[in-house]
Amino acid sequence: QKEVEQNSGPLSVPEGAIASLNCTYSDRGSQSFFWYRQYSGKSPELIMSIYSNGDKEDGRFTAQLNKASQYVSLLIRDSQPSDSATYLCAVKDRTNAGKSTFGDGTTLTVKP
Amino acid sequence: DVKVTQSSRYLVKRTGEKVFLECVQDMDHENMFWYRQDPGLGLRLIYFSYDVKMKEKGDIPEGYSVSREKKERFSLILESASTNQTSMYLCASSPRDRPEKLFFGSGTQLSVL
Repeated sequence: QKEVEQNSGPLSVPEGAIASLNCTYSDRGSQSFFWYRQYSGKSPELIMSIYSNGDKEDGRFTAQLNKASQYVSLLIRDSQPSDSATYLCAVKDRTNAGKSTFGDGTTLTVKP
Repeated sequence: DVKVTQSSRYLVKRTGEKVFLECVQDMDHENMFWYRQDPGLGLRLIYFSYDVKMKEKGDIPEGYSVSREKKERFSLILESASTNQTSMYLCASSPRDRPEKLFFGSGTQLSVL
């Protein structure tokens, strides 16, 4: 079993719809969870972080965490073509050095 | 504007060559990382460093070594390049107080022929 698993893509949604990206992790002791966005040919960029159970909202993006189920999700409301990218889920390990394990990513396409 | 700079965008090397990939950050970050990214395999951590002259193995260190003689510079070394090391290599850095907040360089696409 992979340490961090994301729902297999690609995911395609129409413009204006809600895009839902999911991620599960195996280490029950993990405390820090992140979503990175990677445009084609570019490097990843951190867009959301979440540390406690529940929802965290930032503009059109909402990260959701359920530690009991070992599940993290990212919702993108009112999806725009500019949201088309690969989204990487990352889980930080328990040390202070910041080592993060990444999922394989889910590629999202938002169609106009 | 914060920056992580990787020395080459594209690199082509021959099997058996010694290869150096350089990374420099201007943010005074303590932590630096080397990842490789392959289709279907995601981002995998090769090595990381949380201080000058310190290094820790990541998930796939075999065939690689690193050097961190100065805080701003983290080098990845392929002692004897092999074709299975053809990949996109990404360097990242993060501050001590927010180690999870990775800033990535633009990547080096290495082809080993």
